[in-house]
Order: sequence, then C-alpha cells, then structure tokens
Amino acid sequence: GENVEQHPSTLSVQEGDSAVIKCTYSDSASNYFPWYKQELGKRPQLIIDIRSNVGEKKDQRIAVTLNKTAKHFSLHITETQPEDSAVYFCAASYPGKSTFGDGTTLTVKP
Amino acid sequence: NAGVTQTPKFQVLKTGQSMTLQCAQDMNHEYMSWYRQDPGMGLRLIHYSVGAGITDQGEVPNGYNVSRSTTEDFPLRLLSAAPSQTSVYFCASSYSDREGGYTFGSGTRLTVV
Repeated sequence: GENVEQHPSTLSVQEGDSAVIKCTYSDSASNYFPWYKQELGKRPQLIIDIRSNVGEKKDQRIAVTLNKTAKHFSLHITETQPEDSAVYFCAASYPGKSTFGDGTTLTVKP
Repeated sequence: NAGVTQTPKFQVLKTGQSMTLQCAQDMNHEYMSWYRQDPGMGLRLIHYSVGAGITDQGEVPNGYNVSRSTTEDFPLRLLSAAPSQTSVYFCASSYSDREGGYTFGSGTRLTVV
C-alpha cells in the first residue's frame, strides 16, 4: 500500500519567516496531493491541493510543489503569522483513498 | 448545508461493548472514509467507500465494520471494544470527480476502559 513520510515533525520559525514541509510517497498510482491544517482540538481542514499533472500551485502565502518523478511534494508558507501555528498534514490520494503523513507541528513565534 | 455530521462527540465504553459511530453528509459526495487519530501517529484509514454499496479496508480495519447503504450515511461499528481503540475518530467525505479534498466531521472522542 501507499506510504507517506513527512518531515520535519516539528518546526519553529519567527513571525515573517518562511516555513517548508516536505513529504514523500511510494505509490506511483497516487494522483492527488492535498494539504490539511489542524488546529488544536479541531478537525483537519484543506488548505491547498495539487494534482499529479501540475508541478506547482500557489494561493496567497501558501504554495505546493510536486516532483512526480522523485515522488515528493512540499508545502511552502511565506510571511508566517502566529495564526499559522497548527499541525499540518500532507496526503497522497487515489480514487476514494488518502494516506496521510504523520504531521508537522508548526510554531510561529511573534 | 450541514456538511459532515458525526455523532456522538464523546463516548466512554467498557471493554467488550459494541457501538456504532454515525456519520452523515449532505453534499452528495461519492467518497466517504473513516480515520482514527492517535497522538503522534497522524490519521490512519480504517475503512473507505467509493459509493453506495461499495466498501473496502484501509490500513487498520481490524475490530471495525462499515456499511454504505445510501450515499449520505457511512456508520462505523466497533464489534467488541478494546482499550487499543481509544482514539479520536473522524469521518470524511469528498467528490469523486473534482478537486476539494476531504470535508471532515467534527470527530468522536472515544475512550475504552
């Protein structure tokens, strides 16, 4: 089955700095790669996603890149703010089934 | 439009008891899944469904059953609760033919004593 590895497990940055989280996947059948943000005690919420026929996607301060050949994808957050502090999960998906990474706890220090 | 509704929000069971976690969505999503979330272990897939009448196992299916008789409902049944099933359970749904990822329910915090 699919295996998703996510790094780092914790990340601490100063407000205004950039944050990068990286994931690798194993199953070349995966074709959809969403990222979720989960605040303490709440449900995960989709923040950005990318399909396997696209190399990069950007939405304001967040962007995702995908290298299908190397089977890795990354989340980039620029100009971080304290409200970006949360746990971030990557996932690799094919129809009906998503496998998640173990999450990255991002702390943005004011 | 309520999204994904999970009940109950909290539950305490004794070892050996059975129960059903309810999940309903009103977005006409084809795909539905159940995940459990344990500290430091992310979200692990229990069972999933790509449409009414179709279910399949995920990574950690043992001790759980599901059924999908309608598009809207996807209940998760714990057959004989064990302390190892203490976790937070999330139901999630999505479209099959467009982007948008999962919409998650608010979760059920289950404790088995």
